Amino acid sequence: DTAVSQTPKYLVTQMGNDKSIKCEQNLGHDTMYWYKQDSKKFLKIMFSYNNKELIINETVPNRFSPKSPDKAHLNLHINSLELGDSAVYFCASTGGGSTDTQYFGPGTRLTVL
Amino acid sequence: QKEVEQDPGPLSVPEGAIVSLNCTYSNSAFQYFMWYRQYSRKGPELLMYTYSSGNKEDGRFTAQVDKSSKYISLFIRDSQPSDSATYLCAMSVFDAGKSTFGDGTTLTVKP
Repeated sequence: DTAVSQTPKYLVTQMGNDKSIKCEQNLGHDTMYWYKQDSKKFLKIMFSYNNKELIINETVPNRFSPKSPDKAHLNLHINSLELGDSAVYFCASTGGGSTDTQYFGPGTRLTVL
Repeated sequence: QKEVEQDPGPLSVPEGAIVSLNCTYSNSAFQYFMWYRQYSRKGPELLMYTYSSGNKEDGRFTAQVDKSSKYISLFIRDSQPSDSATYLCAMSVFDAGKSTFGDGTTLTVKP
C-alpha cells in the first residue's frame, strides 16, 4: 500500500496554462505539506494544512492555491504557469506529535515549456 | 543566513569507506534532528531521527548531535553502492508544524 501518493508523476505543459497536482495519504495523518524541490535539490516548504486548515503559507505566489477537501487529500492548483515553476513538487504528511517526521510522496516532475 | 547549512558535496567515495555528512544550524530552538535519504527521482525517506546530543546508531548509520556547537553529522560505515543518494538533514522545533531542511549532499559510492 502506498502511504503518500501523488498524481500525475510527470507533467509537461506550456507557459500560461493552469494545472493541478493531487495528493492523497492513507496514514491517517492530520498534517499535509507541499514542497518544491529545484534543480539544485533544495527542498522548500510551500504550504502546510492541518485537518483541512491552512497553517503555513511560505511566501508563495498567489498563482499557487492549495485545496484540502478532507484531511487525507491536499491538492495544488497552479495558474498561469511560468518557466520558473519547473521543479519537482513533493507532497508529505506527518502524524504530528513531537517528531514531525514526514512521509513524502514520490514527487511530481513539472516541466513548463 | 540560512537556518540550516549543509556541506554541499557532491561526495564520491570507494565502496567500504566511512562517510561523514554534516550540517550546522543557527536556531538554538531546534530540538529534533533528522536525516532523510533521497534516491534519484524518488521522494525523501526518513533515515534516522534523534532529539538529544550524543550518538544514535542504527546498523551502519550513526547520527551525531552536538547542540553546544549546533552541529550534526551522519556517519555511514562500510559504505555500499546502494548508499548512493542525496542525504538531507532536517530540524524542527517542538510542535512547530514544519521542518527546516538542509540543501542536501549527493553521495556516490563507487564499487
